[in-house]
Amino acid sequence: DTEVTQTPKHLVMGMTNKKSLKCEQHMGHRAMYWYKQKAKKPPELMFVYSYEKLSINESVPSRFSPECPNSSLLNLHLHALQPEDSALYLCASSLPEGTGTLSYEQYFGPGTRLTVT
Amino acid sequence: SQQGEEDPQALSIQEGENATMNCSYKTSINNLQWYRQNSGRGLVHLILIRSNEREKHSGRLRVTLDTSKKSSSLLITASRAADTASYFCATPPKTSYDKVIFGPGTSLSVIP
Repeated sequence: DTEVTQTPKHLVMGMTNKKSLKCEQHMGHRAMYWYKQKAKKPPELMFVYSYEKLSINESVPSRFSPECPNSSLLNLHLHALQPEDSALYLCASSLPEGTGTLSYEQYFGPGTRLTVT
Repeated sequence: SQQGEEDPQALSIQEGENATMNCSYKTSINNLQWYRQNSGRGLVHLILIRSNEREKHSGRLRVTLDTSKKSSSLLITASRAADTASYFCATPPKTSYDKVIFGPGTSLSVIP
């Protein structure tokens, strides 16, 4: 299984709502990532989890709260978002640094298209 | 600042022609990766080239890496309409393999 799944595919939420994005992989990868991508721009790294611990937070506002309940799951909790947070949110996974394979390519999910109204 | 930057930003070619995209980066790397993204979808990893490699092939893809110039190129030969997509180079810096930074991308249109 070389697939990263993300749910939901589309999400529309108001600025006062609380919602969560979910990501799952069963490739045994121990590094998982959240990216934000605006139209016609490259993905921007938000968070990295390595062995279920948050290893990188790219100064993301606290209205985005990541969670890694186990090695296969990654969540992104959303609260009090702004319209400018509307974007495609991508999850990815890879073998983490230090595994000795020298293969760090990332496997991406299809993304969640988020619209904040 | 961005680690990788692609050139050109947009490229339009006829089916059957070759497409070349370039990527420049700023800091030392252990590897450079190329990804493809079809409109509004997730990214697909195409090829990874390590810093001690100069050229790598995968099917119709050929990647070169010049670490002295901090640049890489992706060549797609005999292009097809299905190759229409955005192509990104990605460079994890030596200090942090996980902190992959994507360049701005090249939007490729292959006209049937």
